[in-house]
Amino acid sequence: ETGVTQSPTHLIKTRGQQVTLRCSSQSGHNTVSWYQQALGQGPQFIFQYYREEENGRGNFPPRFSGLQFPNYSSELNVNALELDDSALYLCASSGGTDFGYTFGSGTRLTVV
Amino acid sequence: SQELEQSPQSLIVQEGKNLTINCTSSKTLYGLYWYKQKYGEGLIFLMMLQKGGEEKSHEKITAKLDEKKQQSSLHITASQPSHAGIYLCGAGSLYNQGGKLIFGQGTELSVKP
Repeated sequence: ETGVTQSPTHLIKTRGQQVTLRCSSQSGHNTVSWYQQALGQGPQFIFQYYREEENGRGNFPPRFSGLQFPNYSSELNVNALELDDSALYLCASSGGTDFGYTFGSGTRLTVV
Repeated sequence: SQELEQSPQSLIVQEGKNLTINCTSSKTLYGLYWYKQKYGEGLIFLMMLQKGGEEKSHEKITAKLDEKKQQSSLHITASQPSHAGIYLCGAGSLYNQGGKLIFGQGTELSVKP
């Protein structure tokens, strides 16, 4: 049984640029969620994808967008990066019979 | 919207001591997840509690869910340096696979050898 893999692990971008983060889903899971975790805070829900459709969104602006592919993997895209977007981005897969959420190791994004 | 408050925010204990971390919800808890996180890394699943009164243990970690108090507690017995990290509680609807998880702000645990 494979876990959740995120890439890249670290990324440095300049303000105003665009970034794409990737996540694979755990075998047997069909739902992927993305979270943003600022330093010293708990993860904040960005959005969730189920059957390639957005299925719930947190309080994040439209410049945060995503995709889910037929193999259930997912991408998070952030346009017009701002300094406050610097954070750890976590992906979680779910939807299996165990009701669990499996998290990846995260992508550390730094915006300068 | 539901909010989770963890206490304490940070904790320093001597190796071998017991400790408890609490997670209190502003709304009824239908399911509660505990995760551990090393600084800057992903979340490691510890336990999932589904019903009021449920108690689960794994190695030296025990978690309980008190539905009436809208609270969960995580207890570590005879702490070790390997227990150090950030502990996060997350609430979600176990019956809605489309549901998001709402997290507390985390409790940072340090264990002194």
